[in-house]
Amino acid sequence: EVQLVESGGGLVQPGGSLRLSCAASGLTFSSYAMNWVRQAPGKGLEWVSGISGGGGSTYYADSVKGRFTISRDNSKNTLYLQMNSLRAEDTAVYYCAKVLVTMVRGVVKGCYLDYWGQGTLVTVSS
Amino acid sequence: SYELTQPPSVSVSPGQTASITCSGDKLGDKYACWYQQKPGQSPVLVIYQDSKRPSGIPERFSGSNSGNTATLTISGTQAMDEADYYCQAWDSSRYVFGTGTKVTVL
Repeated sequence: EVQLVESGGGLVQPGGSLRLSCAASGLTFSSYAMNWVRQAPGKGLEWVSGISGGGGSTYYADSVKGRFTISRDNSKNTLYLQMNSLRAEDTAVYYCAKVLVTMVRGVVKGCYLDYWGQGTLVTVSS
Repeated sequence: SYELTQPPSVSVSPGQTASITCSGDKLGDKYACWYQQKPGQSPVLVIYQDSKRPSGIPERFSGSNSGNTATLTISGTQAMDEADYYCQAWDSSRYVFGTGTKVTVL
């Protein structure tokens, strides 16, 4: 059974930093792309960042580009999100999620998130 | 940037059919999926690749996608289906979520 467990959330002051972790089990971790998705209190889902299985390709939402860094350690089956220069609007529950891919004739045509962690709350406030 | 729009709310009586739409420019040219999220819980994938159901998802959940609109249909809606539903598409290596629809089972 695939399990994803996030940790590292908490209260941080504006301008501060935090590193989230996501420990994965029940899957060949290095075979799958992974993502971070967040949800502000009472709001909808917002994609934050993604990383390929080998870690060589990373992607970011415009709202976090230049401030957040996604990485992974496949030897530890762990995904990370380093968050710097945090703002009040970054306050949210952060979920890590595993990617499921649709390929057509060797080309990726669709990506979905088929397993999610329980989330970790990040609160940015003075 | 690409955007997906959903109705804020849908109401349905128990046993009836609920339909939730997701609109985006030429959405039918992409693959869409749907997530269910109950209060205080993580999202759950209920439909992917427009119409496929992951293992463990009841048959009453179905999906379609054509033109500018993807649709999630819940047939024989049960009280346990009351939740928020989000559509999602993949565009230029980014995951785009819909605005979300709250389904109320009256």
